[in-house]
Order: sequence, then structure tokens, then C-alpha cells
Amino acid sequence: DQQVKQNSPSLSVQEGRISILNCDYTNSMFDYFLWYKKYPAEGPTFLISISSIKDKNEDGRFTVFLNKSAKHLSLHIVPSQPGDSAVYFCAGKGGNEKLTFGTGTRLTIIP
Amino acid sequence: DVKVTQSSRYLVKRTGEKVFLECVQDMDHENMFWYRQDPGLGLRLIYFSYDVKMKEKGDIPEGYSVSREKKERFSLILESASTNQTSMYLCASSLDLNSPLHFGNGTRLTVT
Repeated sequence: DQQVKQNSPSLSVQEGRISILNCDYTNSMFDYFLWYKKYPAEGPTFLISISSIKDKNEDGRFTVFLNKSAKHLSLHIVPSQPGDSAVYFCAGKGGNEKLTFGTGTRLTIIP
Repeated sequence: DVKVTQSSRYLVKRTGEKVFLECVQDMDHENMFWYRQDPGLGLRLIYFSYDVKMKEKGDIPEGYSVSREKKERFSLILESASTNQTSMYLCASSLDLNSPLHFGNGTRLTVT
């Protein structure tokens, strides 16, 4: 049972435009969500997180939005840059439980 | 900066071999994790440890075991490697269960 779903395996965006990556979850106990970015031949690196008490968290070009009623979160990257080309994983957890990751979305920024 | 070091970037092993994947972290983190990454399946948790000599099964522990004799070191053991264990293996650590994970660069294991 896939508790965290990233339904788009890949996404291509023109440089300078907005990239929107989506993530859906099914576990209503999840109260903390994170986004990780992964380049080839490297481990994932933490990008941004959001607690369920918020509906938005912003860090520079990256903003995560959380819609608890829809069990949906999204990552916005504005403006998109070539260095943003990577695989993005969303993950969720509830309380002291372990993280559950999605399947990832490969983002390609077109120069 | 936290550093998580996995001893091998690439490994090729034969079916039936016993395989050891080693991971060391340098930030005195309590928690350590082993994941595998496969196309279309994302990151799946194999085992984790929240203290020395403590271990917990993750989502896919079958065919694997772990060892944590020292706080900084967490080893993943494939008792008898099989071809379906060909994968990218990622080690991670975290200060506590509510802190982000810090990952190593991964070990790509091929079992032939």
C-alpha cells in the first residue's frame, strides 16, 4: 500500500518558469512532510519541510504548500534553474513513526 | 556538516555470497537507516536503529540483517545475495526521529 504517491514520474520545465511537483498521501496520521532532492550518483539531500500546523513554508526559491483536507502537498520552484534538474522525493510521517517516501519525480529544466 | 560515508560506491557479487555494506556517520546521531532505491518504487526502508545494539525492521527486511555495535557504524548484511537484491543502497542518519535524514552517496550493488 503506497501511502505517499507521486503520480508524475517525470516533468520538464523551461528555465525561468515555475516548476510544480505534486504529492498525495493517504495516511491521515501524517503530520510532518519533507522534500528531498537527489542528483545521480549522490544521496538525497533535504530541501524543505512543513508541519501540519502550517499550510505553507517558504525557503528562497522553494515553497511547499500543504492541503490537509485533500491530503495533498506540492513543491513550487520559482524561477527554475538548470541546477534544479534532479529527482525529487516527498516523504511524510506521523508522530515518532519513520518516514515514508514517495516514488519520486524526475525534474528536467530545459535551458 | 554531517557526513555519512558508505564504504563502497560500486559492488559486484555473485549469487549466494554473503555481502556486507558499511556505513559510518560522524555527527553522533542516534538514529541510522538503510534504504534501497529502485526505479518506480522510490526509497524503501530495510532496517533502522535508534541506539547501539538496537534494530527495527523496516518495510522490506526479508533477506537482510543489520549490525550496530558502535554508535557511528551501521552495517547491512545480505546473508545470501540474490539477483533481486541488485539495487542502490542508501544509508542515512538523523539526530532524532523528528529531524531530517542525512544520506550517504549510496552503494550500487549488482548481484550476478
